[in-house]
Amino acid sequence: GAGVSQSPRYKVAKRGQDVALRCDPISGHVSLFWYQQALGQGPEFLTYFQNEAQLDKSGLPSDRFFAERPEGSVSTLKIQRTQQEDSAVYLCASSTDRRLETQYFGPGTRLLVL
Amino acid sequence: GESVGLHLPTLSVQEGDNSIINCAYSNSASDYFIWYKQESGKGPQFIIDIRSNMDKRQGQRVTVLLNKTVKHLSLQIAATQPGDSAVYFCAENSGGSNYKLTFGKGTLLTVNP
Repeated sequence: GAGVSQSPRYKVAKRGQDVALRCDPISGHVSLFWYQQALGQGPEFLTYFQNEAQLDKSGLPSDRFFAERPEGSVSTLKIQRTQQEDSAVYLCASSTDRRLETQYFGPGTRLLVL
Repeated sequence: GESVGLHLPTLSVQEGDNSIINCAYSNSASDYFIWYKQESGKGPQFIIDIRSNMDKRQGQRVTVLLNKTVKHLSLQIAATQPGDSAVYFCAENSGGSNYKLTFGKGTLLTVNP
């Protein structure tokens, strides 16, 4: 079946612009996660949703980062007033409710802030 | 803070050889570990996982070994192929939380034909 999909795959933004990154999880997966991956590093946890509820947002680096999943399927990660340090790959992952820790990742969105 | 780390940042092997990628973890409360493969420009791809009540698990051409005594995890790839070339990450669930994965920095595996 289809895996996790993300769009856009690449995004170039000018410093100060707002961006929105989309994630479509695997069908039937109630849990959704966002991770940030800096160049040459492993992914770092940002936030976790179970259905439409955001249960953990402890990894969001600042209040400029906001995530939502209003209908419990598609999720959007929004970054306001982007800064150069926001440049990274943003990965979305999903899992079933029975095995939260077995997470399947999408291809990521590579964000470059100039 | 506690974290997952890797002994070797790069590994180069000949096609057909076996590869061993190592990972050290420091959080003794972690009870679940995953290996991911990440090719350039792609997201991490699930390879194999293991729970702390096991010390070995085998998949297709891959074996994960867990040594809780020394907090060490390894991924063995048999008959390595050029398509195995990628960055390999180990990740743990950091105990306490059964969903928040903590990743190591990764090992770049290069397979020479």
